[in-house]
Parts: sequence; C-alpha cells; structure tokens
Amino acid sequence: QKEVEQDPGPLSVPEGAIVSLNCTYSNSAFQYFMWYRQYSRKGPELLMYTYSSGNKEDGRFTAQVDKSSKYISLFIRDSQPSDSATYLCAMSFGFGNEKLTFGTGTRLTIIP
Amino acid sequence: DAMVIQNPRYQVTQFGKPVTLSCSQTLNHNVMYWYQQKSSQAPKLLFHYYDKDFNNEADTPDNFQSRRPNTSFCFLDIRSPGLGDAAMYLCATSRDRRTGEYSNQPQHFGDGTRLSIL
Repeated sequence: QKEVEQDPGPLSVPEGAIVSLNCTYSNSAFQYFMWYRQYSRKGPELLMYTYSSGNKEDGRFTAQVDKSSKYISLFIRDSQPSDSATYLCAMSFGFGNEKLTFGTGTRLTIIP
Repeated sequence: DAMVIQNPRYQVTQFGKPVTLSCSQTLNHNVMYWYQQKSSQAPKLLFHYYDKDFNNEADTPDNFQSRRPNTSFCFLDIRSPGLGDAAMYLCATSRDRRTGEYSNQPQHFGDGTRLSIL
C-alpha cells in the first residue's frame, strides 16, 4: 500500500463547476499537508498548505484536512480553463526541512 | 521576483556520458532538494542539503551525486546516465527556522530540467 493515494484521473469538468480533489494517507504522523499545481512541462507550484486538521481558504481554493479519517481535499470554486493542470497532494512530518511524500497527482481539465 | 531557476530546461546527453544540471535560488533558503519525476509519477526525492550538510536518500543510486558550493547554487551530477535516468529533474528549496529569525517556509520548486538519453 502506498503511503499516499491519489486518484490519477483524468478528471474533466465544465467551466464554472466546483472541483473536488482528494488524497488519502496511511501514516497518522503526517502533520503538514500541501497542494501543488503542475502545468505541463513546468515544476510544481505551491497552492496551499495547512497544519493538522481544519480548513483553509484562499480565493477560489479551499483545502480541508481530516486527520481522523486520514483524508485531505482541495476544492476549486468557479473553475476556469486556466485551472487545467495536474494537482499533487503532498505531506510531511514537519516543516522547513522535511521530506515530502507526494501523491501521484490528478490530471484536471476544465472544459470551456 | 525571488525564485528557483534551473538550467538548462532541456538537456540531451548520450548513454554513459556525464551530465550536470544546475539550480540557483534567490529565496535565501537554507535547504535545497533534488527530485526525479518520471512521466505520470510523483516526484521522488534523491537527496537534499541542509545548509552544507548533504543528506542522501537510501535508495538513490550511486550514479547520482550533488554539489552545493554556496547557499544559492546546487548541482546534480549524473556520472553515467542510463536510459532509465531519462526524466524531469526538479530542484526545490525551503527554509528551516533553525537558521534564525525567519519562519519556516514550505518547498518551492523550479521548472525542472527535462533530461533525455540517446
């Protein structure tokens, strides 16, 4: 079993829809949770990060962490074609000098 | 803008011919990482530097080496590239608060170098 499981998709939704991306993990020691967006032929771009359980909102993006279920989510509201990318979840035990454990990424396409 | 810069963006080398990839950063981060990412896979950590201290992942092949001559620069050397080493190589940086008054910062990535092996 992988430490972090993420549905690879592909996921296609119409423009303006709400997108839900998810990851599950097995190691309860993870404390920091991140979402990266990766466009084709580019490096991962940090979207959001959260510590422990709870919600965090930034514009159209909301990250949720449920440590009791070992489940994290990223919601994208009012999705735009420019949101089309691969979304990687990542997590670590600490912050600043810690190995990231990534999911394999979900490829998302927003259809105009 | 402060950023992580990787050069070149695309590198083609011959089987067995040594190659060096470079990374520079203007974020003043004290930790630098090298990842390997193959198509449709998650990035895989090869090694990282905490300041000048080198930390190798247990499963990183000996074929991969790294140098960090100063805070801003880090190099990835592949001594004898094989066909299986064709991948995107990503450099990332972060800040660890043990360095002083700055708060910890998560990992920020460059745009990668795509390595092809002929």
